[in-house]
Amino acid sequence: AQSVTQLDSHVSVSEGTPVLLRCNYSSSYSPSLFWYVQHPNKGLQLLLKYTSAATLVKGINGFEAEFKKSETSFHLTKPSAHMSDAAEYFCVVSDGKYGGSQGNLIFGKGTKLSVKP
Amino acid sequence: EPEVTQTPSHQVTQMGQEVILRCVPISNHLYFYWYRQILGQKVEFLVSFYNNEISEKSEIFDDQFSVERPDGSNFTLKIRSTKLEDSAMYFCASTGHHTEAFFGQGTRLTVV
Repeated sequence: AQSVTQLDSHVSVSEGTPVLLRCNYSSSYSPSLFWYVQHPNKGLQLLLKYTSAATLVKGINGFEAEFKKSETSFHLTKPSAHMSDAAEYFCVVSDGKYGGSQGNLIFGKGTKLSVKP
Repeated sequence: EPEVTQTPSHQVTQMGQEVILRCVPISNHLYFYWYRQILGQKVEFLVSFYNNEISEKSEIFDDQFSVERPDGSNFTLKIRSTKLEDSAMYFCASTGHHTEAFFGQGTRLTVV
């Protein structure tokens, strides 16, 4: 069975400092992995996705994540935090049960990112 | 940019009442989903729908729940007799072939 563990429920950084949001996954086969962001009162927006191509994935707003199979990790990073990055971030794995669809998703519990001025 | 839209944004209902949550997926998408997030908990998969039938459903999606695509654009989730524990944020999502899931903004359901 697939699962996702987000190691921190809350991360607080200062503006301009690096961001690291940690995620470990469990999968019986090669997974598709995603990071979604949820701003207050907004829907879930895709930041980036890994689907067995390059292991370093670049997303929107300067975020990137590296797929490390040996560590079963898919940590999200950003070199310099901005106030607008404050949101909740979800690490997500697809169960891949449908060949063309990536929609059957298993979510982590989420990490709330706070950015201090 | 295409988007998934959900209505209403907030629904308050009395326990035992029926509610219908509405979603308009992205027009050329083929797979449709409902997820829910109880306050403070994970986002959980409820059901997927493809080719006018349920593809898969979770344990949460019992006989009280049903989904329908009544026309070419809407995708609805019905809860027949709401319980207090149905209070949650419900997200609709859609995907095409080999695309990621696009989510709506959610409907906050409060059962009182």
